[in-house]
Amino acid sequence: KQEVTQIPAALSVPEGENLVLNCSFTDSAIYNLQWFRQDPGKGLTSLLLIQSSQREQTSGRLNASLDKSSGRSTLYIAASQPGDSATYLCAVMGSYIPTFGRGTSLIVHP
Amino acid sequence: DVKVTQSSRYLVKRTGEKVFLECVQDMDHENMFWYRQDPGLGLRLIYFSYDVKMKEKGDIPEGYSVSREKKERFSLILESASTNQTSMYLCASSPGQVSYEQYFGPGTRLTVT
Repeated sequence: KQEVTQIPAALSVPEGENLVLNCSFTDSAIYNLQWFRQDPGKGLTSLLLIQSSQREQTSGRLNASLDKSSGRSTLYIAASQPGDSATYLCAVMGSYIPTFGRGTSLIVHP
Repeated sequence: DVKVTQSSRYLVKRTGEKVFLECVQDMDHENMFWYRQDPGLGLRLIYFSYDVKMKEKGDIPEGYSVSREKKERFSLILESASTNQTSMYLCASSPGQVSYEQYFGPGTRLTVT
């Protein structure tokens, strides 16, 4: 059974720092991996989707990488801002049913 | 843009009531999902559907049922609401085999008193 772990569980940083959030998974037979953002009391907003054949995807200040062989993905956030404060979740699709990590709660303080 | 809507943002129901949560997606997606999210437990899959009138149990189906009579609509039913079903309920959809990218609705915060 696929297991997804996100480290760290919580992170508090000053504005302007570059951040790396980690996602690891146990079964490398995946179709894709998706990163989400969740604000308190809201649904999940998709940030980036990486297909299994891809190594990375970029959107603005966000860059996600995927290393299937080692079972790892990282989400890189450049020049963090207070508006980036949220919980970030990764989901791994080995089939059409995803397996989610528990998330990293990020606080960026001014 | 794909849009997934849920019938209510907040809902308060009494113990024993029958509760209907509705989810509608507008992008002709084959797959639809119901999750609940609780602090410390993360997202847990209740039911999913990969086609009209098709449904499969997820990790925690007890106390719930679902209905998918039309492709765009997936309903979650709490047959007799209990206080331990107080939670955030999230609906999601994804296309078929081309991509399994998930799109989420805004969530329904259900409180059962």
